[in-house]
Amino acid sequence: EVRLVESGGGLVQPGGSLRLSCGASGFSFSTYAMSWVRQAPGKGLEWVSAITGSGGTTNHADSVKGRFTISRDNFRNTLFLQMNSLRAEDTAVYYCAKVIDTSRGYRPFDCWGQGTLVTVSS
Amino acid sequence: QSVLTQPPSVSGAPGQRVTISCIGGSSNIGAGFDVHWYQQLPGTVPKLLIFDNINRPSGVPDRFSGSKSGTLASLAISGLQAEDEADYYCQSADNNLGSRVFGGGTKLTVL
Repeated sequence: EVRLVESGGGLVQPGGSLRLSCGASGFSFSTYAMSWVRQAPGKGLEWVSAITGSGGTTNHADSVKGRFTISRDNFRNTLFLQMNSLRAEDTAVYYCAKVIDTSRGYRPFDCWGQGTLVTVSS
Repeated sequence: QSVLTQPPSVSGAPGQRVTISCIGGSSNIGAGFDVHWYQQLPGTVPKLLIFDNINRPSGVPDRFSGSKSGTLASLAISGLQAEDEADYYCQSADNNLGSRVFGGGTKLTVL
């Protein structure tokens, strides 16, 4: 069974940092691209960051570019999101998500973690 | 403000058919990027409903169908059931943004 489990969320002050983790199991982790998607309270889904299976290529939404960094450890089957210079508008549930297959392009997400809540407030 | 526009809400009675539109432009849906649809039941994580415009993952009832033409994608739900009440999101990619994009989401109410 494919499983994704996020951790690392919490309350942080504006300007602070947080590192999210997503532990993966049940599939060949290094084969699949992964993403982080967030959802602000009562709002819609927003794609945040993506990384290829090898970790060699990353991409970030303009709203987080220069502040967030996605990375992965394929030996530990873990995805990370380093979040710096956090703002109130970054408050959201952060989901890690696995793409459906290994085809090239912007593949959809067939598996999502349960999410971890990040609250940015003083 | 997303580059993919969805109606904020739709509604229908049990047994009826409803459609949810996802309107894009020449840099996303019109550029040939595939459209995918997710269902998010209240208090749960999103679930892939339709991928690559028309395909259903294993386990998704055939009451759900997708289509795409030009800059417009649509999700149709026939034989509406109470358990279909959820938020629905389209997702594609955009050349100008160089990334995936989600629509703003549509809340389906079963009357």
